[in-house]
Amino acid sequence: ELKVEQNPLFLSMQEGKNYTIYCNYSTTSDRLYWYRQDPGKSLESLFVLLSNGAVKQEGRLMASLDTKARLSTLHITAAVHDLSATYFCAVGTSGTYKYIFGTGTRLKVLA
Amino acid sequence: DAGVIQSPRHEVTEMGQEVTLRCKPISGHDYLFWYRQTMMRGLELLIYFNNNVPIDDSGMPEDRFSAKMPNASFSTLKIQPSEPRDSAVYFCASSAGTGLYEQYFGPGTRLTVT
Repeated sequence: ELKVEQNPLFLSMQEGKNYTIYCNYSTTSDRLYWYRQDPGKSLESLFVLLSNGAVKQEGRLMASLDTKARLSTLHITAAVHDLSATYFCAVGTSGTYKYIFGTGTRLKVLA
Repeated sequence: DAGVIQSPRHEVTEMGQEVTLRCKPISGHDYLFWYRQTMMRGLELLIYFNNNVPIDDSGMPEDRFSAKMPNASFSTLKIQPSEPRDSAVYFCASSAGTGLYEQYFGPGTRLTVT
């Protein structure tokens, strides 16, 4: 059974600092997704990673995928307050269209 | 495109009542997913459909929950009878099922059972 773990669960950081959120998963997968959720809102797609070594960047966020290590990272560069949200990774299960979501990382960027 | 549409956005009901949540997927998407989000359990997949046919309902918590998709543009999730532990945000998502297999989420329905 596919399990997805994120860490940290909570992250409080100062504006201007860098940090990384980790997403580990337990079985082989070729699809990994990152979503953002603002309080009381829906999930917004950030990145889709489909192959080993894939790297995607959008603004201050960069996501990467290492399928051999079963690890994805979401790196935040020079954080700003607007990045405060909960970030989820989701792993596609092989042979199906299901995702299994991680626990989420609640990020708070302090001014 | 209007995106995934869900109704109602908020529902407050008493224990024992029937609750029906509704979803309209993005036009042309042939996969539809129902999720439940709670603080304790996070985001859980309840059921998903392909071309209106239920493919995997292993996440449906118990017989009180049922889901249907009578046509490509409409799905319902019904809880009968509702219980306080069903209080959660219920999301519907749809996917084209090709290419990136990306799921697009609706705004959610916040259900409170008193």
